[in-house]
Amino acid sequence: DAGVTQSPTHLIKTRGQQVTLRCSPISGHKSVSWYQQVLGQGPQFIFQYYEKEERGRGNFPDRFSARQFPNYSSELNVNALLLGDSALYLCASSLRHISGNTIYFGEGSWLTVV
Amino acid sequence: AQTVTQSQPEMSVQEAETVTLSCTYDTSESDYYLFWYKQPPSRQMILVIRQEAYKQQNATENRFSVNFQKAAKSFSLKISDSQLGDAAMYFCAYRSNGANSKLTFGKGITLSVRP
Repeated sequence: DAGVTQSPTHLIKTRGQQVTLRCSPISGHKSVSWYQQVLGQGPQFIFQYYEKEERGRGNFPDRFSARQFPNYSSELNVNALLLGDSALYLCASSLRHISGNTIYFGEGSWLTVV
Repeated sequence: AQTVTQSQPEMSVQEAETVTLSCTYDTSESDYYLFWYKQPPSRQMILVIRQEAYKQQNATENRFSVNFQKAAKSFSLKISDSQLGDAAMYFCAYRSNGANSKLTFGKGITLSVRP
């Protein structure tokens, strides 16, 4: 069975540009979360979606937005990119949005802002 | 807000030996989950082991076991019979019980295994 898949795996953007990252959850999983991992740090929570509704948001500016589609895949959008947005963006999925469900992570999308 | 602290940035272990990775956390909640994730160079986060706070028995998964001290808010990971493939970054994480809860991670520890 396919795990959590993310695209693109690597990308380079210029300051001020916009980026869209994509995530497909494990088949049957309805909850998707996004995390930002800056080099040398642990992942930081950005968003959680369940059944296409936002269920949680971390301490990130409004330049960050996301959505979940009817097939439960998800997109993370970041506008007006800053150098500090350079990071590994991890998508994670679980069956539902409750804490008892195991969270599985994808391999991430490496974003470099120059 | 909950916090997770991993104070050791790096550790090293001889192959076949045992190593213990430390983690402390701070919370006012009584019901929660604790996790250890492994992140190899491929960068994919892999769940190693999880512990439910309401369970007194320490979790075990093959060569991996935890020492959960709820009163001390301590959650250490013991790796027995270390293997070269265990070399990776290890993150301790906390999750509140209930719906819509997030994972809160520590800064991680880099484990190297000497052959």
